[in-house]
Amino acid sequence: EVQLVESGGGLEKPGGSLRLSCAASGFNFTNAWMTWVRQGPGKGLEWVGRIKSKSDGGTTDYAAPVKDRFTMSRDDSKKMLYLQMNSLKIEDTGVYHCVFYGYIGSGSPIVLNYVDVWGKGTTVTVSS
Amino acid sequence: SYELTQSPSVSVSPGQTARITCSGDALPKNYAYWYQLKSGQSPVLVIYEDTKRPSGIPERFSGSSSGTMATLTINGAQVGDGGDYYCYSTDSRGNHWVFGGGTKLTVL
Repeated sequence: EVQLVESGGGLEKPGGSLRLSCAASGFNFTNAWMTWVRQGPGKGLEWVGRIKSKSDGGTTDYAAPVKDRFTMSRDDSKKMLYLQMNSLKIEDTGVYHCVFYGYIGSGSPIVLNYVDVWGKGTTVTVSS
Repeated sequence: SYELTQSPSVSVSPGQTARITCSGDALPKNYAYWYQLKSGQSPVLVIYEDTKRPSGIPERFSGSSSGTMATLTINGAQVGDGGDYYCYSTDSRGNHWVFGGGTKLTVL
């Protein structure tokens, strides 16, 4: 079963830092492009950023509101995804989800199935 | 920055057809995805790659895309289909993804 479990959320003051983690299981994490999505209180879904697999360059892209403050990284040996959040702002408050979507092959002959998996999320609160 | 535009709300009676639209300049080039979000729950994918329905999603959910507009259609909407629906796609370079502002569907 494909599963994602986030951790690391909490209460932090404006200007502070937090590091979120996401533990992945049930799929080939090494080849996966991973995404962070957040939802602020009373707000809609917001794409935070994406990291490609190392074989595809391992590059990252970020939404404008978090660029230069947030950094995504991954440890393929541990099947872990990270989001380092610096210079936190009140508007960063929300639930942060780790997301994997794409095709997974299984069986013989291989059959590709599309999967879309979200972790339950970890809550980040930025407040003085 | 790239934007996807959705109407804020759609309201239909049970059994009617609900249509939720999403407009974006890069939609002719890139797929649209649709998520259903209910309070306190993780988003549920209801349509991927414009028209495909994940396993477990009822056949009354369908998607289409033409030009700069993608449409989620719910035929014979049920009360339980009410919630917020978000379209999701990427900019023309495929580097930055974005959600639409969401459409609140009321089935009453």
